Amino acid sequence: EVQLVESGGGIVRPGGSLRLSCAASGFTFGDYGMTWVRRVPGKGLEWVSAINWNGRSTGYADSVKGRFTITRDNAKNSVYLQMNSLSAEDTALYHCVRDSNYLGSPFDVWGQGTAVTVSS
Amino acid sequence: QSVLTQPPSVSAAPGQRVTISCSGSSSNIGNNYVSWYQQFPGTAPKLLIFGDHRRPSGIPDRFSGSKSDTSATLAIIGLQTGDEADYFCGTWDGSLTAAVFGGGTRLSVL
Repeated sequence: EVQLVESGGGIVRPGGSLRLSCAASGFTFGDYGMTWVRRVPGKGLEWVSAINWNGRSTGYADSVKGRFTITRDNAKNSVYLQMNSLSAEDTALYHCVRDSNYLGSPFDVWGQGTAVTVSS
Repeated sequence: QSVLTQPPSVSAAPGQRVTISCSGSSSNIGNNYVSWYQQFPGTAPKLLIFGDHRRPSGIPDRFSGSKSDTSATLAIIGLQTGDEADYFCGTWDGSLTAAVFGGGTRLSVL
C-alpha cells in the first residue's frame, strides 16, 4: 500500500523550532518529488515547500522562506521539514504529499498530517 | 486570501448535478493544468481530477473537470450523500513560483 506517515508535530512557543518527518512506503521513493502542504483550521490549503527527486532542487512559499528547510533521505525513504522562528501564523495541519507523474504534477498521495500549534 | 477563488459552499439534492467553480488568472489557471481534490472531515485530501479534466484510476466518471481561459469547473452528476465533502482546486502559479489552491468549497447534498 502506498503510504505517507508524518510525525514531529506538537505545541511550540513563538520563536521556537520543530522538525517534521514523513516516512514513505509502498513506492519507489527516489522516483518522486515531495511537497509539504498545510491547512490552517477553517481555511484552505497552502503550499509550503517542495523538493525534487534527488534533493538538489527545492522551493518555498514566501511565507516560510528563510525559516523553513526541506530535505530528503532517499536511503531512508523520508522527507523532512525543519521549521525555525515559528509564529502563530504557522499553526496548521501539515501534510506530506507526493508529486505525481501525472500531467501537471498534481499531488496524488497525501499523508494524514501532523498538527503544529504555535502558542505561548 | 487564497490565490484561486471558489464559492464557500454549494448544495444540491441527491441525484442532481452540481458544479464548483475555480477562478484564477493567466499566471496560474490560464497557463497551467488544474487539479481537483476531495477531502472528508478528518481525512487527507484525495486527487479527483488532474490535467484539467483527467481522472485517476478508480475515480468514478460522475466527476468531471473542465477549463476555459482562467477558470476551471468541477462537475458532479448523480449526487450521492457520500459526496458531501470539501473540494479544492489547485494549480501552479508561474509568477509566484508556487503551487496554489482555492479556499475550498463545502458540498452539501440535501
